[in-house]
Amino acid sequence: SQQGEEDPQALSIQEGENATMNCSYKTSINNLQWYRQNSGRGLVHLILIRSNEREKHSGRLRVTLDTSKKSSSLLITASRAADTASYFCATHQTGNQFYFGTGTSLTVIP
Amino acid sequence: GAVVSQHPSWVICKSGTSVKIECRSLDFQATTMFWYRQFPKQSLMLMATSNEGSKATYEQGVEKDKFLINHASLTLSTLTVTSAHPEDSSFYICSARSQGSYNSPLHFGNGTRLTVT
Repeated sequence: SQQGEEDPQALSIQEGENATMNCSYKTSINNLQWYRQNSGRGLVHLILIRSNEREKHSGRLRVTLDTSKKSSSLLITASRAADTASYFCATHQTGNQFYFGTGTSLTVIP
Repeated sequence: GAVVSQHPSWVICKSGTSVKIECRSLDFQATTMFWYRQFPKQSLMLMATSNEGSKATYEQGVEKDKFLINHASLTLSTLTVTSAHPEDSSFYICSARSQGSYNSPLHFGNGTRLTVT
């Protein structure tokens, strides 16, 4: 399977705390992207990091990429109840496929 | 911008019938569209990659004769589930990439929930 692995599978934190999710993948990539999904809906793109980048920021989001370890992390700072959702990493493979990780279900408690 | 419309949002059909799901890029041209399947509380599984004007590339284990994909134009791809069975019940999501943008995000439809009775 080309699917990546994410951990933790589920994460529950208090509002205001930071949330960190990790993603590992198996093959060479062009870029890695993080998406958010609210239950039963499509996915919303959060941030893209290219294979030659190591860190990227967007608002309260910080993404890192370590291609030597084939891993990435997503940090959401100062979490809010509205951040409650499932978060997926997706790798753009060199063969032009996009494979998703197993996902992290985040619950932010008000 | 970059809106993807997927229709229908839900469908219930009887076992043995076929169902067609449409995926349209409304304000951009999509050279590549991707079809995913998602089971409850699980991740998205890539079914096939669809390029405009050519045959879709199916992932291993996905029956191309059962899941027919047509990408006839730069703004429309369709997935037809033929002779549907209860085990085909799932959430199907399409996504599209803009033409000419290599490092670009995927734009997703809102998904189609298929229930086969």
